[in-house]
Amino acid sequence: DVKVTQSSRYLVKRTGEKVFLECVQDMDHENMFWYRQDPGLGLRLIYFSYDVKMKEKGDIPEGYSVSREKKERFSLILESASTNQTSMYLCASSPGTIGEQFFGPGTRLTVL
Amino acid sequence: AQTVTQSQPEMSVQEAETVTLSCTYDTSESDYYLFWYKQPPSRQMILVIRQEAYKQQNATENRFSVNFQKAAKSFSLKISDSQLGDAAMYFCAYRLGAYSGAGSYQLTFGKGTKLSVIP
Repeated sequence: DVKVTQSSRYLVKRTGEKVFLECVQDMDHENMFWYRQDPGLGLRLIYFSYDVKMKEKGDIPEGYSVSREKKERFSLILESASTNQTSMYLCASSPGTIGEQFFGPGTRLTVL
Repeated sequence: AQTVTQSQPEMSVQEAETVTLSCTYDTSESDYYLFWYKQPPSRQMILVIRQEAYKQQNATENRFSVNFQKAAKSFSLKISDSQLGDAAMYFCAYRLGAYSGAGSYQLTFGKGTKLSVIP
């Protein structure tokens, strides 16, 4: 079974802090994704990566950056956290260009 | 841009009954995929069913089936013999076909339908 893990289930940070969210997949998938999920808005794509060191902006990249130094790991970085970044963050991975996405358990981030 | 609309924010169904969740999408493409994902209260999103646009036959997975109407751009999910474990958020999602460039990697999601199952 594909396994996508995220470093924390719950995280509380203060405004202005630098925040790292880590995601690891164990199935050698080429593609990895970061979404945020908010009530009434569904899932919105922040960034995705289709190869090591490659990244593409999604629909809402402002205030975020990403890093993919190894194939299995995809990090989401909030350079200076703000209260409007309080949300559930979901990581996903997929193989090639035709596979469905497999999701991690999510990280509930609260920025105070 | 592609959009996915789920017009029912919440639905409920009696245990053992059948329920249908609606999804419509807007696209000018002919090659694409459609998905239904389930997110139980534990928050791990899992794939329920997928449909390739070029296939006329509706996909089925055990108690889950879809009604794919390509001309109407409609993709509804039917859950038969509903069980308590079916209670979850359900998301409809769209993705371009395999040879559509970078866009084919991305999923576009609807806003979700919260399904409650009444014992």
